[in-house]
Amino acid sequence: DADVTQTPRNRITKTGKRIMLECSQTKGHDRMYWYRQDPGLGLRLIYYSFDVKDINKGEISDGYSVSRQAQAKFSLSLESAIPNQTALYFCATSEPKNNEQFFGPGTRLTVL
Amino acid sequence: GENVEQHPSTLSVQEGDSAVIKCTYSDSASNYFPWYKQELGKRPQLIIDIRSNVGEKKDQRIAVTLNKTAKHFSLHITETQPEDSAVYFCAASRAGRRALTFGSGTRLQVQP
Repeated sequence: DADVTQTPRNRITKTGKRIMLECSQTKGHDRMYWYRQDPGLGLRLIYYSFDVKDINKGEISDGYSVSRQAQAKFSLSLESAIPNQTALYFCATSEPKNNEQFFGPGTRLTVL
Repeated sequence: GENVEQHPSTLSVQEGDSAVIKCTYSDSASNYFPWYKQELGKRPQLIIDIRSNVGEKKDQRIAVTLNKTAKHFSLHITETQPEDSAVYFCAASRAGRRALTFGSGTRLQVQP
């Protein structure tokens, strides 16, 4: 079945380290998203991309960067991780005609 | 930008009772309103959505209502079952090149 996958699924790192979270999809969707989930705060949008040449900041982009390497791949980087970036990170995809989001399984990131 | 508020943050009901979760949105141009269910340790998944040209939509025990004038929409679950226990998120977006804005989530607990 077509799916959205994320690697790694869990990561523990130290303050100041550079971290990359990767997302791949076999759904053939043009649109891809990165969200952060914290208890009581819902899903907050970090960055989104509507096609390979289109990158947009979401509501909480500070401290993060992204790269859209291909239609199927969208990576999120933390250049210098800090403890308040400890969270569950979700990648998602959607089609232009229908904004239904298909989420990956999530990456649990802990910054010590 | 869009702002979505969701209430309550937690909801406990007895099995067989109904549950109602409410969301308000700020952008009068928003026209797409999905609801996602996230079971413990899993990814969010779409359960129902509604567009602004419709006032109500039903799918078995789940229904969503939309009041465009008041800018609020609600999720109604009837005859609740223990497997309905999860976190529910509402969201809103405009048509076109717009990302979803999510509410902060409601943790529903159905007591057997």
